[in-house]
Amino acid sequence: KAGVTQTPRYLIKTRGQQVTLSCSPISGHRSVSWYQQTPGQGLQFLFEYFSETQRNKGNFPGRFSGRQFSNSRSEMNVSTLELGDSALYLCASSLQGREQFFGPGTRLTVL
Amino acid sequence: GEDVEQSLFLSVREGDSSVINCTYTDSSSTYLYWYKQEPGAGLQLLTYIFSNMDMKQDQRLTVLLNKKDKHLSLRIADTQTGDSAIYFCAESGGSQGNLIFGKGTKLSVKP
Repeated sequence: KAGVTQTPRYLIKTRGQQVTLSCSPISGHRSVSWYQQTPGQGLQFLFEYFSETQRNKGNFPGRFSGRQFSNSRSEMNVSTLELGDSALYLCASSLQGREQFFGPGTRLTVL
Repeated sequence: GEDVEQSLFLSVREGDSSVINCTYTDSSSTYLYWYKQEPGAGLQLLTYIFSNMDMKQDQRLTVLLNKKDKHLSLRIADTQTGDSAIYFCAESGGSQGNLIFGKGTKLSVKP
């Protein structure tokens, strides 16, 4: 079974731009969660989608948004990028919520 | 509030056992997890334990849970250089249904 895939793996953007990251979960998994990883703050929860609905949301500003499609693929979007948004963005998929399997991440650098 | 604490570094010699410790605050957490992250990679789920268990063994890995003290440990037997990585402890007790991660313990294995 293929694992969680994330595209692109690396991105460089400038302040003020917007970015869209994509995540394809493990086949059959309907829950997709997004996390931001930075050296200072560690791993922080962004949001979770289940069957195309946002089920949970972390404490991030409204510039961070996401969606999930009928095939369970998910995208997250960050608008008006700030330097502090530079991070590794990780996506995790889950079948029943017990085990979350992570993708390799997208490394976003904001200049 | 919800918090997971880990020591930041651990250094062992190849062939020795490694013990990585973690404390958590949310007594209602149902599951507790150990993830491994190698440089430039995502998180790999190593093992998890249900909160009503005391111990779980999986090949070279042993997880011990002391629910009274809210203390979780991961023992790696016969540690190899390939075990060098950052190990994250996580609990499932996030108020948004998310995982709460510790800051990670960097394990260095010396030949």
